[in-house]
Amino acid sequence: QSALTQPRSVSGSPGQSLTISCTGTSSDVGGYNYVSWYQQHPGKAPKLMIYNVSKRPSGVPDRFSGSKSGNTASLTISGLQAEDEADYYCCSYAGSYTWVFGGGTKLTVL
Amino acid sequence: QVQLVESGGGVVQPGGSLRLSCAASGFTFSTYGIHWVRQAPGKGLEWVAFIRFDGNNEYYADSVKGRFTISRDNSKNTLYLQMNSLRAEDTAVYYCAKDQEGGTPAFDYWGQGTLVTVSS
Repeated sequence: QSALTQPRSVSGSPGQSLTISCTGTSSDVGGYNYVSWYQQHPGKAPKLMIYNVSKRPSGVPDRFSGSKSGNTASLTISGLQAEDEADYYCCSYAGSYTWVFGGGTKLTVL
Repeated sequence: QVQLVESGGGVVQPGGSLRLSCAASGFTFSTYGIHWVRQAPGKGLEWVAFIRFDGNNEYYADSVKGRFTISRDNSKNTLYLQMNSLRAEDTAVYYCAKDQEGGTPAFDYWGQGTLVTVSS
């Protein structure tokens, strides 16, 4: 149950697009189409942004999109906005009813 | 609307025990699996445990296996986490989180969390 690997930080200017990567193994990210992404503002609970690699829950802007290739999943945010500044976590199902999170990425809007 | 409210956190000495609760409302509690996820101060999220909708099966992260027990009372719409043999590294905010609609393995609603501090 090793944590998935995410960049510690990313940054971008308003209106730009950026991508956060999430690398695992064939036992988690690469083995299942069950990657989800969570946004967490300081002092708040996480919020589901993407599930099943690329699906958005109701109410999540379509600026947020997800994808996966092999053992690496990605979250792309287009048209960056100030309110997108937060921590982002990926999570993958890892089989046998266990889950593993990434270490988290701090997104800064310049 | 869906609400999950955790309680029971506090300060406990190493080796001690604590029981957390998560009161659920706004959805049919007995038809969803529920998770505990924790976050150490200034650190990332860590999945801790999962219990199926009927309470018949429980699953744990290696870091807590044998020390923590997840359970639920569907008649009270409440989830529990019994934590024994607590260690300093168990210090964290503990969140309960509901399984995604349709049984997809994701967490679609989270509580506000309850802080557990293990310290002498």
